[in-house]
Amino acid sequence: DQQVKQNSPSLSVQEGRISILNCDYTNSMFDYFLWYKKYPAEGPTFLISISSIKDKNEDGRFTVFLNKSAKHLSLHIVPSQPGDSAVYFCAASSGQYGNKLVFGAGTILRVKS
Amino acid sequence: DTGVSQDPRHKITKRGQNVTFRCDPISEHNRLYWYRQTLGQGPEFLTYFQNEAQLEKSRLLSDRFSAERPKGSFSTLEIQRTEQGDSAMYLCASSLGPGTSTDTQYFGPGTRLTVL
Repeated sequence: DQQVKQNSPSLSVQEGRISILNCDYTNSMFDYFLWYKKYPAEGPTFLISISSIKDKNEDGRFTVFLNKSAKHLSLHIVPSQPGDSAVYFCAASSGQYGNKLVFGAGTILRVKS
Repeated sequence: DTGVSQDPRHKITKRGQNVTFRCDPISEHNRLYWYRQTLGQGPEFLTYFQNEAQLEKSRLLSDRFSAERPKGSFSTLEIQRTEQGDSAMYLCASSLGPGTSTDTQYFGPGTRLTVL
């Protein structure tokens, strides 16, 4: 039972353009959502998060949008840079479940220069 | 700034051997989590500690797996009688814990286990 889904295994974007990564979830108890970036042979690096009481959070080039009614969130990267090429994981948690993270399968982002 | 550290980074072992991994969390963090990641998948939750108390274990954690966090500081994850299916990246994460409105987990670099 995949509670968090990232339906696009990969995404290719031209440098300078916008990258949009999507994530869907099924469990309405989730109240905190995070995006992590991962390079091969390294641990996930925290990028940005959003609480369920908000619908948008921005940090520099990264913006996360949350649509609770659709159980959907997205990560926007503007402008995309070659160094952004990595695997991006969406994760969700709930204080009801000890804040353990439930991850999607990841999306490979390639930014072409 | 010391983040989460894990040791060793890589471990190659033969089937049937025991292995132990260590995780040192960020110093003021009360919660410590273990996850496992296999190729093409996101990390999967294994277990977590609040200080020295182990509060939850996933069904993924068979009785060959044991984790400890003595004194609420570093943690160890031991796998007994390793099997080839245990080959994975083992990730440790820490967070401040309950009472914070947004409890963000920060991950270590992981331990890559290969069972031959």
